[in-house]
Amino acid sequence: AQTVTQSQPEMSVQEAETVTLSCTYDTSESDYYLFWYKQPPSRQMILVIRQEAYKQQNATENRFSVNFQKAAKSFSLKISDSQLGDAAMYFCAYRRGQGNLIFGKGTKLSVKP
Amino acid sequence: SQTIHQWPATLVQPVGSPLSLECTVEGTSNPNLYWYRQAAGRGLQLLFYSVGIGQISSEVPQNLSASRPQDRQFILSSKKLLLSDSGFYLCAWSGRPNTEAFFGQGTRLTVV
Repeated sequence: AQTVTQSQPEMSVQEAETVTLSCTYDTSESDYYLFWYKQPPSRQMILVIRQEAYKQQNATENRFSVNFQKAAKSFSLKISDSQLGDAAMYFCAYRRGQGNLIFGKGTKLSVKP
Repeated sequence: SQTIHQWPATLVQPVGSPLSLECTVEGTSNPNLYWYRQAAGRGLQLLFYSVGIGQISSEVPQNLSASRPQDRQFILSSKKLLLSDSGFYLCAWSGRPNTEAFFGQGTRLTVV
């Protein structure tokens, strides 16, 4: 069975600094998708970034980028120039083909002014 | 553009009462639809998903059921709520091909 592990229950970063959130997953598939979702205090789940496994190039979205290491089954999220609005729960998620999203347990990110 | 509506936003129900949470999607057709539950301080647990009208798959046996009476409508129900049904419920949809999911704003259910 596929699993997604986020080993950091909580992280903290100073405003304007960079932080990296870790995620590892377990799968025997070669074709799949990986995602990072943000859940602010409002609890709305917001898609941050998406990575297709067949793409070697790491996805980027403005201040958000990923380090996708397929062989190591690692998918970390880097947030550059952290802002107070980045404070939230961050969830890593995996999807194989037409299968369902499988989520990690999340990392709570605090941003210090 | 596509939008997803989920209501109510909050709900307080007594033990043993029925439940009906509704979710509708606009701006797309034949979406995959999902119900997730998030317990306090934990990740998301998939409860039900649907690939079409009347087609429901259950991931976790429990006190809840789901129905899809129309293409873009997904309903989560219970005949008799338990205290353990308390939590935050999220509806989501994804398109075809199936990639990312988009979530509603969630329902905070408290069973007292």
